[in-house]
Amino acid sequence: DIQMTQSPSAMSASVGDRVTITCRASQGISTSLAWFQQTPGKVPKRLIYAASRLQSGVPSRFSGSGSGTDFTLTISSLQPEDSATYYCLQHSSYPRTFGQGTKVEIK
Amino acid sequence: EVQLLASGGRLVQPGESLRLSCAASGSTFSSFAMTWVRHAPGKGLEWVSDISDSGGSTYYADSVKGRFTISRDNSKNTLYLQMNSLRVEDTAVYYCARCCALDVWGQGTTVTVSS
Repeated sequence: DIQMTQSPSAMSASVGDRVTITCRASQGISTSLAWFQQTPGKVPKRLIYAASRLQSGVPSRFSGSGSGTDFTLTISSLQPEDSATYYCLQHSSYPRTFGQGTKVEIK
Repeated sequence: EVQLLASGGRLVQPGESLRLSCAASGSTFSSFAMTWVRHAPGKGLEWVSDISDSGGSTYYADSVKGRFTISRDNSKNTLYLQMNSLRVEDTAVYYCARCCALDVWGQGTTVTVSS
């Protein structure tokens, strides 16, 4: 099974800050990785697919990079509405695996 | 654009069975694979199961293998998750989503397993 190690598990940052979240796969997954945002009580929303492609309608301050085993989600300028939990997902092989999640809070 | 509507969640006792449904509209349901994902209270997202577009191939997380069965009826545009021998740890909001990079999600249905 492929393990997805996501870090940090939680963070606090100020509005306007650049935020970086990482996911490391235990084996290579090419670019079969997506990033999701979830706020409490809401349906998860896909932000990035194929590691670096921005989902239509998602603000351009979100970006993704990486391939193989190391991936990054970056928020270039944190906004209040970005307070949420973020997850990566590998869909390269079965069983699919999510990262443990990163809770982002606004200072 | 496809829309998904999950239903069937309720309170059940440990050991009981439950079937979830996910109705699709707005697109050709039979042309894409589908996924179930769950979110337990205080925990992260967990992939549960996938089914191919035809229903001929199915995949399960180890935590549900042998207890849950995914299926679909393409004539009814509906996805199912039959859950048997339910455990307290199966308590979660269950989401259906379009496989495999999960671009479209249903609104979720809540399953509570408690005595």
